[in-house]
Amino acid sequence: DIQMTQSPSSVSASVGDRVTITCRASQGISGWLAWYQQKPGKAPKLLIYTVSSLESGVPSRFSGSGSGTDFTLTISSLQPEDSATYYCQQANSFPYTFGQGTKLEI
Amino acid sequence: EVQLVESGGGLVKPGGSLRLSCAASGLTFSKAWMSWVRQAPEKGLEWVGRIKSKTDGETTEYVAPVKGRFTISRDDSKNTLYLQMNSLKTEDTAVYYCATASAGRFFWGQGSLVSVSS
Repeated sequence: DIQMTQSPSSVSASVGDRVTITCRASQGISGWLAWYQQKPGKAPKLLIYTVSSLESGVPSRFSGSGSGTDFTLTISSLQPEDSATYYCQQANSFPYTFGQGTKLEI
Repeated sequence: EVQLVESGGGLVKPGGSLRLSCAASGLTFSKAWMSWVRQAPEKGLEWVGRIKSKTDGETTEYVAPVKGRFTISRDDSKNTLYLQMNSLKTEDTAVYYCATASAGRFFWGQGSLVSVSS
């Protein structure tokens, strides 16, 4: 199975800050990388797919980048509603696997 | 718009069985590869298994912790996905989501809670 290592596990930041979350795959995943936002009691919400494609309706302050095994989610100007847990997920090979999550506190 | 609605969750004793359903709309269900994902309380996300379309052989794959106990099936005439869970263990307690993807873009249901406890 492909292991996804996400860092940091938690981060505290202020409104207006720029935050970067990284995700490293144990082997190449050919661009099949997604990012999710999850708030307590809710289903994960897709933010980014295929590394850098922004899901419809997601604010443009969210962006994704990377290639090969190293990927990044950037939130350019934090808003209070961005407080949540963020997960990366590879969809290159089954079983699709997730990072362990990054809890973002604002 | 793709909509996935899970049902069938509840409380079950260890060793018991439960079947979840996922009603799909807004997509060509018969062509979709469908999956189940779970999240234990206060834990991360785990992909449970998936089923390919009939055209692609309707083959199923499962993660090791559920292999031999869980079975994924589909009824294309009803646009419905199923997860049959047998020999349930306390560690199977989780919210179960159905999911599907199109070109790397994933769609999820709202989830159904399964609690395994005596």
